[in-house]
Amino acid sequence: DAMVIQNPRYQVTQFGKPVTLSCSQTLNHNVMYWYQQKSSQAPKLLFHYYDKDFNNEADTPDNFQSRRPNTSFCFLDIRSPGLGDAAMYLCATSRAGGREKLFFGSGTQLSVL
Amino acid sequence: GNSVTQMEGPVTLSEEAFLTINCTYTATGYPSLFWYVQYPGEGLQLLLKATKADDKGSNKGFEATYRKETTSFHLEKGSVQVSDSAVYFCAPRDDYKLSFGAGTTVTVRA
Repeated sequence: DAMVIQNPRYQVTQFGKPVTLSCSQTLNHNVMYWYQQKSSQAPKLLFHYYDKDFNNEADTPDNFQSRRPNTSFCFLDIRSPGLGDAAMYLCATSRAGGREKLFFGSGTQLSVL
Repeated sequence: GNSVTQMEGPVTLSEEAFLTINCTYTATGYPSLFWYVQYPGEGLQLLLKATKADDKGSNKGFEATYRKETTSFHLEKGSVQVSDSAVYFCAPRDDYKLSFGAGTTVTVRA
């Protein structure tokens, strides 16, 4: 049974048209992450939530926002997608603590036309 | 923050060959170390981990030992199978952040 669920699996949007990607978890983990993975590259952390506390990475563009309305759900909002934002977006969760593993969803592949 | 240097691929092997993927890291603290695997068309899965020096993580015939003195966490498997074809990522973790290496694509031929 999937524990970190991302919808949709594939998302197509137009240049400049806002888009929202969603993630839900059944693990009741404190921490939720969003990673961006471009083709043949390593996943890059955009931001994470520790409970309700939002933590942005220093190099994450302002174009990327996130919301976490409750423990189970987390959203990635791209306000004005550019062609360079086409990528796989990975959601992950973990318990608090530096020794805990991350559980990843299957990802949403975003295309920008 | 942490950074990772991972052996570049792609790596192509025959079944039953020995596989090693080198990984070294730099860290300000004392990170936990992970190897994640990404099979074609799937998300990232934890392969193995080690949380302190000299710990050996193992799973599915893969092993990696936490070498603090050389800041390394090399992945090995003695006899690979076609089903091991995937992309492998070395990933140190500090307090909250898991940082990934560039990934090594492994293809195993029958």
